[in-house]
Amino acid sequence: QLVLTQSPSASASLGASVKLTCTLSSGHSSYAIAWHQQQPEKGPRYLMKLNSDGSHSKGDGIPDRFSGSSSGAERYLTISSLQSEDEADYYCQTWGGVFGGGTKLTVL
Amino acid sequence: EVQLVESGGGLVQPGRSLRLSCAASGFTFDDYAMHWVRQAPGKGLEWVSGISWNSGSIGYADSVKGRFTISRDNAKNSLYLQMNSLRAEDTALYYCAKDIGPAAALPNYWGQGTLVTVSS
Repeated sequence: QLVLTQSPSASASLGASVKLTCTLSSGHSSYAIAWHQQQPEKGPRYLMKLNSDGSHSKGDGIPDRFSGSSSGAERYLTISSLQSEDEADYYCQTWGGVFGGGTKLTVL
Repeated sequence: EVQLVESGGGLVQPGRSLRLSCAASGFTFDDYAMHWVRQAPGKGLEWVSGISWNSGSIGYADSVKGRFTISRDNAKNSLYLQMNSLRAEDTALYYCAKDIGPAAALPNYWGQGTLVTVSS
């Protein structure tokens, strides 16, 4: 069964970097995923599509501070130079409509 | 600019029906698959249903299969979700989303959502 696993929470300081992880279930390590951001009281926003080889294509207007990488079944979202508006929930998603549970990022 | 505007939400009693609509603009609607995704209060995102560009491929979450029907009218640039036999657990904000391509895979644009509340 295809499952995406995310840590429920993460935190980092203003101006620092943070790396969020999304893990694909066994047997699905070749799958691409998408990362979405949801700021408080707002609808989701697509950040990027991330392939198993680490290549990624970002959505319109997504800053260079957001990048993606992959290693095996792990898919990462790295946000550098953290800003207050990066405080949000981050969801990964893959084929078949499967979403991860989301990671709540707190900017300290 | 891609715009997705949902409508049709509201308060409905358990067992009744509701039809959601999504008006799309800013892109060639019939080139892309479309999705409905919902979010219950305080919860994460849950994919509900997806439809390919020509309605040839349709999928549903197990939680709504047999009760909800997705459809699209490419001439009207519109997406629909017919929801029957509604339950309290269907209460959520329902988002319309555009896919990255013609076959239902991954959404890359989202609407602002329409709220559905199922309660007596």
